[in-house]
Amino acid sequence: DTGVSQDPRHKITKRGQNVTFRCDPISEHNRLYWYRQTLGQGPEFLTYFQNEAQLEKSRLLSDRFSAERPKGSFSTLEIQRTEQGDSAMYLCASSLSLTVTSTDTQYFGPGTRLTVL
Amino acid sequence: KNQVEQSPQSLIILEGKNCTLQCNYTVSPFSNLRWYKQDTGRGPVSLTIMTFSENTKSNGRYTATLDADTKQSSLHITASQLSDSASYICVVSEGSAGNNRKLIWGLGTSLAVNP
Repeated sequence: DTGVSQDPRHKITKRGQNVTFRCDPISEHNRLYWYRQTLGQGPEFLTYFQNEAQLEKSRLLSDRFSAERPKGSFSTLEIQRTEQGDSAMYLCASSLSLTVTSTDTQYFGPGTRLTVL
Repeated sequence: KNQVEQSPQSLIILEGKNCTLQCNYTVSPFSNLRWYKQDTGRGPVSLTIMTFSENTKSNGRYTATLDADTKQSSLHITASQLSDSASYICVVSEGSAGNNRKLIWGLGTSLAVNP
């Protein structure tokens, strides 16, 4: 499977614990996005990378959230001191953007479902 | 506030029938409009993407239309199949061309195709 992969697919944790998710984008895709989706809602943008540079972070991304893409390939999203309100599906998407003005099609991974007890 | 509204909220059709889903938006400035299909528990899958200069775009049995003047789009599904059962989400990109980070997502239309 050469699509976007995410690990783990499901994570159950206790409030206050730290969790880390991994996303492997489609090979050679230069853009990588993180979204959060709660039941019945559309995905909410969290942050995105152009290669290894994190170019934008949503206000939704509090100080407890951090994302990295150290080598411009896979990315990790860490949530520290988890809260029950963090329970959601965390989606990763990647795209290939050839120019600054090109319209990129984002390919989504299957998501990581986080449940905070 | 920029919004994307979809109708109907849910729809049940028989296998083999056609259906049309609607999307109205107030997003401005407008860059492009996308339709995604999302199966339960899965990530969204892109069906079509259209810029303001495109009126229609097809992807197999899916045909999307866009009227940038009235800010309306539709997704037409022809000869529905059981596998079409999913949520169909309209997404509008805000901003100038290339600014694909600011995606405004609709709540989706939940389609159920029954045998």
